[in-house]
Order: sequence, then C-alpha cells, then structure tokens
Amino acid sequence: SAVISQKPSRDICQRGTSLTIQCQVDSQVTMMFWYRQQPGQSLTLIATANQGSEATYESGFVIDKFPISRPNLTFSTLTVSNMSPEDSSIYLCSVEATGLGYGYTFGSGTRLTVV
Amino acid sequence: KQEVTQIPAALSVPEGENLVLNCSFTDSAIYNLQWFRQDPGKGLTSLLLIQSSQREQTSGRLNASLDKSSGRSTLYIAASQPGDSATYLCAVHYNYGQNFVFGPGTRLSVLP
Repeated sequence: SAVISQKPSRDICQRGTSLTIQCQVDSQVTMMFWYRQQPGQSLTLIATANQGSEATYESGFVIDKFPISRPNLTFSTLTVSNMSPEDSSIYLCSVEATGLGYGYTFGSGTRLTVV
Repeated sequence: KQEVTQIPAALSVPEGENLVLNCSFTDSAIYNLQWFRQDPGKGLTSLLLIQSSQREQTSGRLNASLDKSSGRSTLYIAASQPGDSATYLCAVHYNYGQNFVFGPGTRLSVLP
C-alpha cells in the first residue's frame, strides 16, 4: 500500500502565525484527505484534496483558515492560518490504499501546539 | 446521522488476557470497516480491513468480525502483551461519500 511521508512531525507555534504541513505519497493518488484530531478526541475530516481542483471542505472548516494545495498527484499541503490555542491538535493526511482490499493509509501526523 | 461508537472507552488488563473491543455504527450501508491502532501523539496504523461482504479478518493475534445487520464490529486480541497498549479506533467507510467516520476509540493498557 501507499507510503506517506508527513512533516513536520511536531511544532510549537505562536498565536497568530501560520503553519504549513506537507504530505508526500510514494505513488500517484487521486484524492488526499486531511484530518484533525483534537486532544482526547477522535479524527474529524477537514477536507478532501483533488489534484487540479479546489479542495472540498467539511462543515465547520473553511478555506481561509485551512488553505490546501494539491499541485500534483503525490503531494499536498495543509496550512493552519492565524493560529489560536484552539488549533492545537494532531493533523493527519490520508490516502486510499492501493494494495489488496483497499482501505486507507495515514501519515504519521503533525502534533501542533499553539502558545 | 452517521455515528460510530466504541466501548469500552478505556480498558486495563493484565498481560496474557484475551480481550474484545466493540464498535457500533448506526447505518448499515457501509463499504468497509477498518480498525486502526494509534500510539500516543502518533499517526494511525492500519490493523485490519473488513469489506462489507466479509464477516471476519484475521492477522496474527488479531481477529475482527463484522455484522452489518446489527451494526457491530468486534476486534479480538489474543494473549495481550504490553506492546499492545495503544488507542484502537474503528472507522466506517459508507457507500456514499468518500470519507471515514471514526469512532472515539478505546484506550487499552496491558499491564506486565
């Protein structure tokens, strides 16, 4: 199945700044998914990123706060803009696995702390 | 509304015990169900994937079952080890839409 390299693995950021998270996949994939996991919570889908079109955002998430780029079929970035302490979470990217049985593969996550 | 629940929320067992984690979902129109493991502060590792047409999948000491009609899946861990300590998440991929709906997870501690 696909292997995802996600970075940074963790960061501590100042309130009001922005952080860009990168995900690189070792194979071409049509869709990439970005999730947020707030402390003690399960995962919530932020948006789905297709190459060549604008990302599709889930209810409660907006492009101005979480702009996404998808310049090609193996790479995507998520930016967390104008951060506040409430943005402190683990952010994960995911793709549909290309191996037997399908399913989904996840990156190792970015642990963001906003101070 | 598509909801996924998991019980128990947390579980602490001595090493060597067999244990069962439960996952329930409200809508039976699923494409597949996937069990993941998450270590603290880390990403997700896929454990088992069950397609909607399957009833169970096995990998080593892990066995996952699926009963669509009752909206349930169980993850059975045999002969638990301290290295099994982690949070276990089930996620349901529905026939409509592209994303998973995740359960809240079961936090497992296996004591040596």
